[in-house]
Amino acid sequence: AQSVTQLGSHVSVSEGALVLLRCNYSSSVPPYLFWYVQYPNQGLQLLLKYTSAATLVKGINGFEAEFKKSETSFHLTKPSAHMSDAAEYFCAVSRANQAGTALIFGKGTTLSVSS
Amino acid sequence: DTEVTQTPKHLVMGMTNKKSLKCEQHMGHRAMYWYKQKAKKPPELMFVYSYEKLSINESVPSRFSPECPNSSLLNLHLHALQPEDSALYLCASSRSRDSDGYTFGSGTRLTVV
Repeated sequence: AQSVTQLGSHVSVSEGALVLLRCNYSSSVPPYLFWYVQYPNQGLQLLLKYTSAATLVKGINGFEAEFKKSETSFHLTKPSAHMSDAAEYFCAVSRANQAGTALIFGKGTTLSVSS
Repeated sequence: DTEVTQTPKHLVMGMTNKKSLKCEQHMGHRAMYWYKQKAKKPPELMFVYSYEKLSINESVPSRFSPECPNSSLLNLHLHALQPEDSALYLCASSRSRDSDGYTFGSGTRLTVV
């Protein structure tokens, strides 16, 4: 069964520093992987997705992620953090079984950005 | 229109009340979803509708009753809820392909008293 594990429930960086949020996946078949961001009291916004077209995926707001099959990882990075990046970030995998497909989320990582 | 609209944004209900949450999208998406999110937790899948038919029910208690009247509308009927059901209820939609990712609404903040 497909699943994702996010390493680190809380990451703190200074403004202008590199952002690295970690996600590892478990899947017996090539997975579809996603990163979402959630600001307080809001829904989730898609940052980027991996659908096997390219291993380096660029998303919105300067974020990107690299799919590494050998490491079963899909880490999210941003070269320079902004204060506005402070939010909750979720890695997700598309789970497929006989009943259908559904998006299953990791536990989330809270990103704090200090000035 | 690239949005999923959820109403109401906030709802307070007693344990004996009956209420409904509404979700609407006009993107032509044929799959719609209900998720429940507790504070500081990830969204948990509740129901999946595909082409207006219920395809996944994640063992949700019967006090939650989903309905998909047409391809643009998804309802969640609530009855005899418990205080532990207080949460953010998120609706999402997607094209039928599982590689697309979902578009989420901003949610309904439900408080059961």
